[in-house]
Amino acid sequence: DVQLVETGGGLIQPGGSLRLSCAASGFAVSSNYMSWVRQDPGKGLQWVSVIYTGGSTYYADSVKGRFTISRDKSKNTLYLQMNSLRAEDTAVYYCARGLLTGGFPWVLTLWGQGALVTVSS
Amino acid sequence: DIQMTQSPSTLPASVGDRVTITCRASQSISSWLAWYQQKPGKAPKLLIYKASNLESGVPSRFSGSGSGTEFTLSISSLQPDDFATYYCQQYLNYSTFGQGTKLDIK
Repeated sequence: DVQLVETGGGLIQPGGSLRLSCAASGFAVSSNYMSWVRQDPGKGLQWVSVIYTGGSTYYADSVKGRFTISRDKSKNTLYLQMNSLRAEDTAVYYCARGLLTGGFPWVLTLWGQGALVTVSS
Repeated sequence: DIQMTQSPSTLPASVGDRVTITCRASQSISSWLAWYQQKPGKAPKLLIYKASNLESGVPSRFSGSGSGTEFTLSISSLQPDDFATYYCQQYLNYSTFGQGTKLDIK
């Protein structure tokens, strides 16, 4: 089955760090565009970060310098390291795969089930 | 940053209706626009990309049109499974989503 499964969410205090993992099955993470997108509780969607097949990475301004996207080819897993967390980072975080055909990294064809991150004291 | 504005925010409709959702970009994005459907507690699902290209497996009652700054998503004959929230997304410059349109049962 082709799927993405996120783990690592939870409750964290402001200023803390957390790492999300996204395990892929049925395809290779390193051969695809992979993104993180978050959704505030009850609100809309916000793109967070993308990693290209060649390894280039891009971030939303709101997380630049605090979050790092990476991947492990041997584990076929995508990661999001989140440092200096703030209350406004509270959201469900989704990993997603971009559309490879035609080269559309931000057209998200496959999504995980999401992981809730709550930043609160 | 490119801002995306959807209208209406809520759209009451009945099974069998034809409905249209509008998405406007704060600057021209050519045809770099996608539409997603999201149901409560679930991840979004891609419906359309490049403004009018239907994703594989998506029913043909869904269609998209537009270019530049104004885009529409139409559903030709609403089915019970279509009641959900719909988001547009620009991908000319990184990615920005609209605030969503909730399709409600009238």
